Amino acid sequence: DTGVSQDPRHKITKRGQNVTFRCDPISEHNRLYWYRQTLGQGPEFLTYFQNEAQLEKSRLLSDRFSAERPKGSFSTLEIQRTEQGDSAMYLCASTKSGGQETQYFGPGTRLLVL
Amino acid sequence: DAKTTQPTSMDCAEGRAANLPCNHSTISGNEYVYWYRQIHSQGPQYIIHGLKNNETNEMASLIITEDRKSSTLILPHATLRDTAVYYCIVRVGNNAGNMLTFGGGTRLMVKP
Repeated sequence: DTGVSQDPRHKITKRGQNVTFRCDPISEHNRLYWYRQTLGQGPEFLTYFQNEAQLEKSRLLSDRFSAERPKGSFSTLEIQRTEQGDSAMYLCASTKSGGQETQYFGPGTRLLVL
Repeated sequence: DAKTTQPTSMDCAEGRAANLPCNHSTISGNEYVYWYRQIHSQGPQYIIHGLKNNETNEMASLIITEDRKSSTLILPHATLRDTAVYYCIVRVGNNAGNMLTFGGGTRLMVKP
C-alpha cells in the first residue's frame, strides 16, 4: 500500500453514460498525476496538478474528459459520454515537489464500457 | 525524455538472481534512471532510481554503466511474487511536473 487510494476499484458502465473516479494522494504530496493504461500497454500520461492548478494535459485527454483538484487534496476524473475505447485502467500517482519527485501510484480504477 | 529499450520477456528460477537489462543510449546528463514494476492488475510500484552511481535498497540493486547508456536491475533472490512487468524509465529529476513515459517493459516470469 503506497498511501495513494482510488475509488472505485472497478466500474462497469454502458456506452454514453458519465463516470467519475476519485484519487486521494499521499497527504503531504502537492503534485498529482493521472495516467491511463490499456491492456498490454504501459501507462500513458493524461494530466497533472500542482496543488489545485492543472498544469499540463496530454493530447489523449479529449474534451469528454475533465479533471479537477478543487482544494489541492483529492482529485476527480470525469469521463462524459463514455465510449468503448475508454475501457482501460485509470491510474493516479502523487509526489511532493522538490527533491527527486518519485511518483507513487494508487491501485487504479478499472473501467469497462459496454 | 530519453527512450529505453528492454527485452520483452525473461524467465528466472526461484531463488536465483534476476538481472533485467535496459538500454538508454540517448540519456542526457540530468536524466535519472527509474525502475517500476507492475504486478498483474495492480498499480505500478516504485523500485529504485539512480543518476550515476550504483544504488541498492531493500528491494533491488541498480547498476548503471560508466557511460550511463545502459543499466541493470538486480533482484538478488527472486521469488514467485516478483513475477511482474518491469519498466525502465529515464526522466529529468528535480523538474516541475515531469511525467513518467512508460515503454513496453520486461515481463519477468519467476519459475519454481
